[in-house]
Order: sequence, then structure tokens, then C-alpha cells
Amino acid sequence: EAQVTQNPRYLITVTGKKLTVTCSQNMNHEYMSWYRQDPGLGLRQIYYSMNVEVTDKGDVPEGYKVSRKEKRNFPLILESPSPNQTSLYFCASSGGGEGTEAFFGQGTRLTVV
Amino acid sequence: GEDVEQSLFLSVREGDSSVINCTYTDSSSTYLYWYKQEPGAGLQLLTYIFSNMDMKQDQRLTVLLNKKDKHLSLRIADTQTGDSAIYFCAERENDYKLSFGAGTTVTVRA
Repeated sequence: EAQVTQNPRYLITVTGKKLTVTCSQNMNHEYMSWYRQDPGLGLRQIYYSMNVEVTDKGDVPEGYKVSRKEKRNFPLILESPSPNQTSLYFCASSGGGEGTEAFFGQGTRLTVV
Repeated sequence: GEDVEQSLFLSVREGDSSVINCTYTDSSSTYLYWYKQEPGAGLQLLTYIFSNMDMKQDQRLTVLLNKKDKHLSLRIADTQTGDSAIYFCAERENDYKLSFGAGTTVTVRA
């Protein structure tokens, strides 16, 4: 089954404690992205990757890092989380090309206290 | 990024039609999407429309695209309680980015 898997689904952490949210896709997609969803703002792109070792900033990259060492994995790293990073995070992947669908993970609800 | 706007709330009676509206700014967008998010769940692609189409129908869903006004709408016929969710309009900017609206929360009342 084609899917994007994120872990964990829920996470409560304290300010400043480094964390990683993992994302894995089984569709051999080149393109992967991270979005955050906040009420009234929709989804905003944090970082994206066009292939292994190729990553770039999206619209709201401050406070986040990513890596793409393997095609299937695209972890999101918060080196020093702050309360304003409390949000719902989604990983997405797509194969590129006209009309192709972006597949989304189930989301990770992060609370930073 | 591009601006995609939609109203935040819609309340509809069970059995009536729901119409969710969206405006976008990028006239070069080739594909426009509607996603559904049920409580506690991820994003589910409902339907999409190519920019050279005016309308697309898929069972209870009808998508209308007015490219001149950059207006997109989603009509859900015979709305059911299971249709209660947040609906996101999105435009495809490129292979790796969708621009989303803020989401319309649809509440279906008995």
C-alpha cells in the first residue's frame, strides 16, 4: 500500500530539548516536503527536498532543519524547540510531473511547553 | 508563496447541498485541489481539476473553476454527517509545493 508514515503521531516536549520527527515513503518519490498546520493559516511549507541531498527552505523554515540521506526518508529536526512551534506537522511526497498527487502522512501533533 | 483564500466556516443541514468557495492568485496554476481533513486525521485528496477544465463531477462532488475570476468551488450534494470536516483548497505551484487556503470547517446539522 502506498503510504507516507510519520512518527510519532503525538509528542509533548519541553522548550530547548532537541527532537526529530521521522517521515518515510514507500513510493520511490523524488519530492518530499514538510508542512505545518495552524488554525486560520492552513498549511505552510517548512522545507522541501527534490532528491537525495537536495533540500531547500519553504515559507517558514526558521527553527527547523531537515536532511535527505536516503530517498525514502525525510526527517524534520527541531534543534531547540520553542512554544511557537506547537503545531500539527505533515510530511508529503510526490513523484512530480503534471497532475501527480501529493501523498500526506497522518500528521504529528507537537506541543512544546 | 501564492495566496489562496477561503471562508473559514460553513454550517449546512443534512441532506442539503454544501458549497465551499475558494479564490487563488496564480493564473499559471495548472492543477487545483480539494483536500478533506476529518478530526484527528491526515489529509485526504478529494478531487482535483486541471486548469483547462470548467467543471468536474465525481459522484456527489462537483468542482467548478472560473479561471477568469480565479475562483474555485466545491459542491457536495446531499450532505451527510460524515461530510463534517475541514476542507482545504490548494493550488499546485510546482512539483514540490502546494499552496493551501486556511481551510473551511463544514458542520453538518441534523
